[in-house]
This record gives sequence, structure tokens and C-alpha cells, in this order.
Amino acid sequence: DGGITQSPKYLFRKEGQNVTLSCEQNLNHDAMYWYRQDPGQGLRLIYYSQIVNDFQKGDIAEGYSVSREKKESFPLTVTSAQKNPTAFYLCASSIGGAGNEQFFGPGTRLTVL
Amino acid sequence: AQSVTQLDSHVSVSEGTPVLLRCNYSSSYSPSLFWYVQHPNKGLQLLLKYTSAATLVKGINGFEAEFKKSETSFHLTKPSAHMSDAAEYFCVVSRTGSWGKLQFGAGTQVVVTP
Repeated sequence: DGGITQSPKYLFRKEGQNVTLSCEQNLNHDAMYWYRQDPGQGLRLIYYSQIVNDFQKGDIAEGYSVSREKKESFPLTVTSAQKNPTAFYLCASSIGGAGNEQFFGPGTRLTVL
Repeated sequence: AQSVTQLDSHVSVSEGTPVLLRCNYSSSYSPSLFWYVQHPNKGLQLLLKYTSAATLVKGINGFEAEFKKSETSFHLTKPSAHMSDAAEYFCVVSRTGSWGKLQFGAGTQVVVTP
């Protein structure tokens, strides 16, 4: 089945630790995205990548980092510099370009204790 | 800059009655518009998409939306609600010159009562 997988589904970390969230897609999409979701705020864009080995900051990139070494993979690292990391994180992909829909993974819920 | 306003944060309907979720947008050009649905602790699923081909767009699960440029609205409707429609719904607009970036509304939580 084609789709996007995110792992783990739930993640618990102590304050001050970096943590990496996985996102893999087998849709052959060029573009990939990371969003953060908080209650009542919709989705906010963290980082996006239009093509392998290239990525840009979104609206709330501070405290996060990404890499795009393979077309299929776009991992997100939540660093200790992120002041309020507890949230639901969603990865998406698209064929790129204006007006195209994005396909979403099932999400990772990160809780920092 | 683009923006999306979902006019209701919560909507409660009885099973079998119509559903109306309201969305207004602002955009300096003719945008692409989307409605997504999210069930609890799940990812988002595309319900339907408008890209200027037809103003009335039919989607999955009996939903449809009408694009009204004069009112800058893109309201989502369904004639008869089902219990499985209980979820959060997001109205989304493509961003100008943004190469595929989207702007999400804050969401409307739909509750369906028996």
C-alpha cells in the first residue's frame, strides 16, 4: 500500500533531550512537510523540502532541525532549544507545485516530561 | 497574505440532519481550496479540493463544498450526518507564490448526537 508512515506513534522524553521523529513515504513524492498541531490552532508549518538535499524553514522552525538525504525520508529532530515541544507532529508529502493536495501520515504525539 | 477563517469552532448536529461548516478565505489571487478531516489522534484525510474547474465540488463520504468568489467562502455541507462524521474539519487555502505551502484554518469540531 502506498502511504506515509510515522514512528513512533507516542514518544516520551525528558526535558533537555533531543528527539528524532521518523517520516517515510512510498508515494514517490518530491515534496515533504512537517507540521505541529496544538489544540485550537490548526496546523503550523515547521519545515518543508521540495527536493532531496534541500529544505526550507516554515513558520515555526526555531528549535527544530531536519534532513532530506533520501527522497523517501524526512526526519525531524526536536532539540532542547524548543521551548514547548509537547505537541502532535504530522508529516505530509505532495507531488509539489502550487495547488496540489498534501497526503498526511498518522502523526506522532510527543510528550516532554 | 492568505488567511482562512472557520466561523465555528464547534458544531453539534443530530444524526440524519444536515451539516454545514463555514469557511471564509482571503487571497490576492484565485486560490486552491481544500477541506480535510481528522479523526482523534489520526492524520488528516482529504475530503475535497477546489482548483477553479467547477464551483461545486463533490468529495468523499457525501460531502460537498461550494466556492463563492463574491463572498470569499468555501462552505462544506453534507445532507445527512452519520455518527462516523464526528471529527475535526480543516479548511485550507494554498499560499500565494508559495510553491505548495498551505494555510490551515483553526478547525471545526463536529459532534454528532444519536
